[in-house]
Parts: sequence; structure tokens; C-alpha cells
Amino acid sequence: AQSVTQLDSQVPVFEEAPVELRCNYSSSVSVYLFWYVQYPNQGLQLLLKYLSGSTLVKGINGFEAEFNKSQTSFHLRKPSVHISDTAEYFCAVSRTYGGSQGNLIFGKGTKLSVKP
Amino acid sequence: NAGVTQTPKFQVLKTGQSMTLQCAQDMNHNSMYWYRQDPGMGLRLIYYSASEGTTDKGEVPNGYNVSRLNKREFSLRLESAAPSQTSVYFCASSALAGEGRTDTQYFGPGTRLTVL
Repeated sequence: AQSVTQLDSQVPVFEEAPVELRCNYSSSVSVYLFWYVQYPNQGLQLLLKYLSGSTLVKGINGFEAEFNKSQTSFHLRKPSVHISDTAEYFCAVSRTYGGSQGNLIFGKGTKLSVKP
Repeated sequence: NAGVTQTPKFQVLKTGQSMTLQCAQDMNHNSMYWYRQDPGMGLRLIYYSASEGTTDKGEVPNGYNVSRLNKREFSLRLESAAPSQTSVYFCASSALAGEGRTDTQYFGPGTRLTVL
């Protein structure tokens, strides 16, 4: 069975500093990986995804993530954060149910707080 | 193009009352989902519908029922609300990416439900 672990529940960082949000997954089969962002009192929106191909994936708002199969990780990075990046970030893995409908398994989220 | 819409946005119920949360999508997606979000728990799947006419239980289905009314609409019903069902509920929809796995899920803005 697949699972997702986000290693940090909260990450405080100063504006214009780099940030890395860590995500590890466990799965015995190949998976699709996603990062979503949730701004206060809003729904989730997709930041980026890995389905296949290049292991370095670029997303919106200057974020990128690297798929590392040997370490079963999909860490999210941004070289310079802004106050507007303050939000909760969720890592998710797509799995199958007996070859039929697939679903997403979410991590518990990492709250990124960007301070001036 | 509205994406995924949910009604109502807020609701307060008394224990034992019933209600239906409505969800509609205009992206012609086959698959739809209902999640609940609780602090520190990430998102947990309640029910999903792979296609019109089919529904399946997710991780936390107890106390809920669903109806896939047509391809666009997927409703969630609480027959007898309990305080443990106080949560934020999100509806999502997606296409499939292949091998039975979901591609990007698009989320609605959420319904904030309080059960007293």
C-alpha cells in the first residue's frame, strides 16, 4: 500500500531565502506524484506533478521538485520565497485500486510561513 | 469556465440533522471525489465515483452517502450528523492518466461544516 510522509509540519523562513519542503513516499509499484498548495480559506490547487520523463519538474510560482526513485522522495524547492508563498503545501501520490479507479493519497501537509 | 463548484460554503447543523452537500464540475471529467480535511490530518477520501453510475468507498466512508446524479454532479449526504463530522469538505474531479491512475485533481472551494 502506498503512503506519503511530509517530514516537516511547519517551516518558517525569511523572505527571499530558499526553501525545501520534504516529501517521502512508499510504494511497491510506480506512482504519479503531485504537490498542491492551499492558501487560507481556499481549495487546493496544483503546483506541479510528476507522471514520467525528466525527474526535475517545474511548476507554477517558481517552484520545482525532483523525483528521486532510489530515495523515494519528491522534495519541493524554491530558490527565493515571497510573503505571498505563505500557505499549506500537500504532497500526494496517485495509486490504483485493483487496476480500476485511481485515487490520491495525501500527506498531512507542511505550513510554510514566510516572514519579512 | 467555473471548474468545480460546491454549495453551500458554510453550514451549521445540530446533532442528528441531515444535509446534502452539492458539487458540480464543468470540465467533462469522468471521476469525482469527496474529501474531508481536518487539522493535522491532511485530506482523507470519503467516497469517489470513477464514472457516472458508479461509486466506491474511500478511507472514511462511515456516516456518509453519495449520489452521482449525472456526469457533472456528485452529492454527499450526512443522514444523521455527529460532532465528529465537523470538518471542511472538498469535492474534486479528474481525468485518468493511464494505468488506472488519476491525473490532476481539480478542487472546489470547500464547505465548512460545524455540527453542534
